[in-house]
Amino acid sequence: DIQMTQSPSTLSASVGDRVTITCRASQTISSWLAWYQQKPGKAPKLLIYRASSLESGVPSRFSGSGSGTEFTLTISSLQPDDFATYYCQQYNSYSPFTFGPGTKVDIK
Amino acid sequence: QVQLQESGPGLAKPSETLSLTCNVSGGSIRNYYWSWVRQPPGKGLEWIGYIHYSGYTSYNPSLKSRVTISIDSSKSLFSLNLTSVTAADTAVYYCARGPAQHTFFDYWGQGTLVTVSS
Repeated sequence: DIQMTQSPSTLSASVGDRVTITCRASQTISSWLAWYQQKPGKAPKLLIYRASSLESGVPSRFSGSGSGTEFTLTISSLQPDDFATYYCQQYNSYSPFTFGPGTKVDIK
Repeated sequence: QVQLQESGPGLAKPSETLSLTCNVSGGSIRNYYWSWVRQPPGKGLEWIGYIHYSGYTSYNPSLKSRVTISIDSSKSLFSLNLTSVTAADTAVYYCARGPAQHTFFDYWGQGTLVTVSS
C-alpha cells in the first residue's frame, strides 16, 4: 500500500495568515491526490482533486500543487471557517486508496 | 443535489456482523463508484471498499476477508457487511461517491457511529 504522511500534524494560525500543509506519498502517485476539509462531527468535504483542481463551490483561497510524491495545500488568507482538520488522499490505480493522518489547523 | 444517507444499527456485538445501508438520492446511482470509508473516534480515515452499479467491487486488502459490499440499483442503495467484528471496528462509517474507478470522493453521507461492544 502507498503510505501518506502529512506535516505538520497541528498548525496554529491567525485569521489572514497564509497556511501551507504538506503531504508526501511513499511512492509516486503522479497527480492522483485529493484534499479534504473535515470539521468535528461532520463528513469530509472535497476541496481539491487531481492535485490542483479546485472542486466546484470551494473558495479560491484554497489551492493545491505538486506531483509525484510531494504535494501542498495552501490557504492564501485563512478565514474563521477554515479552522478544521485537513486530509490528503491518494487514488493511484495500483493501490488501495489511502489517506494521510490529517493536519489540524487551530486558532493561534 | 446528490445526497447520501447511512442507516443501520449503532451497536454490534463482538464476533457478529456489522450491516449498514446507504441510500442515494438526488442523482443516479449509475456510472459511479460507491464507497464505504470509516473513521475510528479521534483517528484518521480508512477506505473500506467500493462497488460499481454493474456490481464490480474492490476492497481494501486489509479488510477484504471480512467485507462484502452489495448494490440494489433499483432502490438506489448499497450496503456494507463486515463480519467477525471486534472493538477495533468501532468507528464512524461513511458512504461516499466516487466519479471514477480510481478516484476521490465528491459526495459523502453524514456518517453513522457503530460501536462494537458486548
